Amino acid sequence: RKEVEQDPGPFNVPEGATVAFNCTYSNSASQSFFWYRQDCRKEPKLLMSVYSSGNEDGRFTAQLNRASQYISLLIRDSKLSDSATYLCVVNSSASKIIFGSGTRLSIRP
Amino acid sequence: SAVISQKPSRDICQRGTSLTIQCQVDSQVTMMFWYRQQPGQSLTLIATANQGSEATYESGFVIDKFPISRPNLTFSTLTVSNMSPEDSSIYLCSVGDTGSSPLHFGNGTRLTVT
Repeated sequence: RKEVEQDPGPFNVPEGATVAFNCTYSNSASQSFFWYRQDCRKEPKLLMSVYSSGNEDGRFTAQLNRASQYISLLIRDSKLSDSATYLCVVNSSASKIIFGSGTRLSIRP
Repeated sequence: SAVISQKPSRDICQRGTSLTIQCQVDSQVTMMFWYRQQPGQSLTLIATANQGSEATYESGFVIDKFPISRPNLTFSTLTVSNMSPEDSSIYLCSVGDTGSSPLHFGNGTRLTVT
């Protein structure tokens, strides 16, 4: 079993739709969680950290479920510019940072 | 967040040669890492660059193939040695402050080996 798993997608949704995807992790001692966005041929960029109580940044909502060991990302009112690959990142220990394989999202007009 | 300058941004190299990639940060950072991302895949950690000591390599990566330097808290280099076409990839420098803080990435080096 991979330490961090994501549905690779692609998710293909119409503009304005709400889309959500999950990421599961295997190490119950993991402490820090992040979502990154990566555009084609670009470096990953931090989208948002994921806090225990859940957090929201505009149209984006991140949730952490420790009991089931997953994090989620919800995108409301999706825009064409949201098309990208979304990477789940888990700090399983002080020095071990694990990247998921990414979920491809494509927003169609 | 720190500004990370990575160069070259891309290169085409011949088999058997070596390429050194530089990563310069505009502020002192605790942690520096080197990742590789092959086409259509996620990021794979090559090694942690340790300031003033030998890098810590992940399974499958060795110092002879990927020597790393980190002379201070703002600069690191990764060399891809004796290159083969299988080394064609994007190489990314990343930095972080603590184990619980997010990483930030340089803009990557796109390497093609012919």
